[in-house]
Amino acid sequence: EAGVTQFPSHSVIEKGQTVTLRCDPISGHDNLYWYRRVMGKEIKFLLHFVKESKQDESGMPNNRFLAERTGGTYSTLKVQPAELEDSGVYFCASSQGGPYLYLRGNTIYFGEGSWLTVV
Amino acid sequence: QQQVKQSPQSLIVQKGGISIINCAYENTAFDYFPWYQQFPGKGPALLIAIRPDVSEKKEGRFTISFNKSAKQFSLHIMDSQPGDSATYFCAASNEGGSQGNLIFGKGTKLSVKP
Repeated sequence: EAGVTQFPSHSVIEKGQTVTLRCDPISGHDNLYWYRRVMGKEIKFLLHFVKESKQDESGMPNNRFLAERTGGTYSTLKVQPAELEDSGVYFCASSQGGPYLYLRGNTIYFGEGSWLTVV
Repeated sequence: QQQVKQSPQSLIVQKGGISIINCAYENTAFDYFPWYQQFPGKGPALLIAIRPDVSEKKEGRFTISFNKSAKQFSLHIMDSQPGDSATYFCAASNEGGSQGNLIFGKGTKLSVKP
């Protein structure tokens, strides 16, 4: 079974440019999450999709970030325009449907991350 | 405001020794406390998790100890092996509030020397 797949694995762009990160969750997983870790900081939650709907986007830093999940399958995270402080690793994760992960024995599976460097 | 504080930042242990990583949290609404293990170039992977209604959970060489009154939890790795060398993250969430909104600690880089 394929895991969570992210593309690109690495990206270097100039300040002011646009970057789009893609995530393919594990097949059948309704829940899709985006996290990011900037240098020296902890991993931070960005948002949570349930199928194609945004369940929680409280972690999105500002309106330069746009996440979509068309058809409830893959998701994209667009940063436009990119700033220097956006540099870091962006993780996508997915889990099976339903609430209360622990009680249901579900697990959040993370992808390997997309490394973004803004210069 | 850092809601989950993790220590130490790095840890060196001899093979066969015990590795201990500690975390403290502030939000009493947290009801799910997982530990993640991350190898270089890989994403975090769930290692073990606990809910606050138990004080300890053991899976193989890995044990979580949980102290609800002190708002602290720790990971113990018994008989540490070089293959355990990785970065470990504690996390917490309010599953009844926002599922998957994990609040992570800053991570502990563990090196197990042969």
